[in-house]
Amino acid sequence: DQQVKQNSPSLSVQEGRISILNCDYTNSMFDYFLWYKKYPAEGPTFLISISSIKDKNEDGRFTVFLNKSAKHLSLHIVPSQPGDSAVYFCAASSTNAGKSTFGDGTTLTVKP
Amino acid sequence: DTEVTQTPKHLVMGMTNKKSLKCEQHMGHRAMYWYKQKAKKPPELMFVYSYEKLSINESVPSRFSPECPNSSLLNLHLHALQPEDSALYLCASSPIQGINYGYTFGSGTRLTVV
Repeated sequence: DQQVKQNSPSLSVQEGRISILNCDYTNSMFDYFLWYKKYPAEGPTFLISISSIKDKNEDGRFTVFLNKSAKHLSLHIVPSQPGDSAVYFCAASSTNAGKSTFGDGTTLTVKP
Repeated sequence: DTEVTQTPKHLVMGMTNKKSLKCEQHMGHRAMYWYKQKAKKPPELMFVYSYEKLSINESVPSRFSPECPNSSLLNLHLHALQPEDSALYLCASSPIQGINYGYTFGSGTRLTVV
């Protein structure tokens, strides 16, 4: 029973364009959502998060959108840069559980 | 210091060996985590320590034994592992468990069981 799903294993975009990475979840108890970026041979790096009381959070080129009714969130990267090429993991947590559950990841390739 | 340091980076061990993975952070974080990640799969939680006490054990086999000797150190003792235990073992920390912070991950230990 996978509670956090990233249905696109890979995404390729041109430099300067928008990258949109999607994530769906099934557990209605999740109240906090996070995105991590992972380069090869490194651990995941925390990127941006959003609380369930918000529907949007922005940090520079990165914006996360949350649609609670659809149990869906997305990460927008604008403009995309070659250095953004990495695996992106969506994660979700509920405050009382004290742990995060990760999706399978989406490999983003930004072409120069 | 904003890092989580894991040693060793690579480890090859036989099924009868005993080895330990080490994780260290000096950010004052009071929650520390062990995750296991297989190729092309998400990180899977194994253990959570909160204030040096085991808080969560995700039904991990007893051949994996965690230890938190102090607030900066987290160990994972390995004994009689199976080849299917080969994976990337990630350590992470956060300021407090249960409050929603992003985790700081180490680079991981790539474990191969032969």
